[in-house]
Amino acid sequence: SQQGEEDPQALSIQEGENATMNCSYKTSINNLQWYRQNSGRGLVHLILIRSNEREKHSGRLRVTLDTSKKSSSLLITASRAADTASYFCAIELSYGQNFVFGPGTRLSVLP
Amino acid sequence: DTEVTQTPKHLVMGMTNKKSLKCEQHMGHRAMYWYKQKAKKPPELMFVYSYEKLSINESVPSRFSPECPNSSLLNLHLHALQPEDSALYLCASSQLPPGGGHTIYFGEGSWLTVV
Repeated sequence: SQQGEEDPQALSIQEGENATMNCSYKTSINNLQWYRQNSGRGLVHLILIRSNEREKHSGRLRVTLDTSKKSSSLLITASRAADTASYFCAIELSYGQNFVFGPGTRLSVLP
Repeated sequence: DTEVTQTPKHLVMGMTNKKSLKCEQHMGHRAMYWYKQKAKKPPELMFVYSYEKLSINESVPSRFSPECPNSSLLNLHLHALQPEDSALYLCASSQLPPGGGHTIYFGEGSWLTVV
């Protein structure tokens, strides 16, 4: 499968802790994007990292990309209960016109 | 808030009904998408329109018929659906088609229940 594979599939942490989610893929990519989805809602774009970038920050979010290992990680620092959601990585393949999602990580932040 | 608007938010239809899902964006994006998402699963690509032309059809059954009347609108016509087609249908758009490294923006989705 070309799609990203995420781990863990589910993560439960206490408020204030950091949450790390990983995404691995098998093929060459143009970029990798992370999305958040609250239960039953649409997807909210969090961050895009291009294949020639190694790290990006946005507020409490830090994303890394290692193209040699074909993997990316999303770190959420100082988590809040409002961060409870599913998080998906999505890869833009470097050929064709396709944009494929990984299976997602369900994050629960307990107050 | 998303700038991709989908209607209706909820739709219940019988297996013999004909209905449509609608999507609108006013960001000047030239690529629009339909995704299907089942519970606890990632979104799955159905169709991509690039410059108002269908560029990708991921082997979707003909009971789903997309239409792009203009660069701001995207419809998904539904006919003779099956109960297993019940899902969240997500519309999305990007400035340019995939391959250009552009962010894809999603609407809130339309919940479809087929009875």
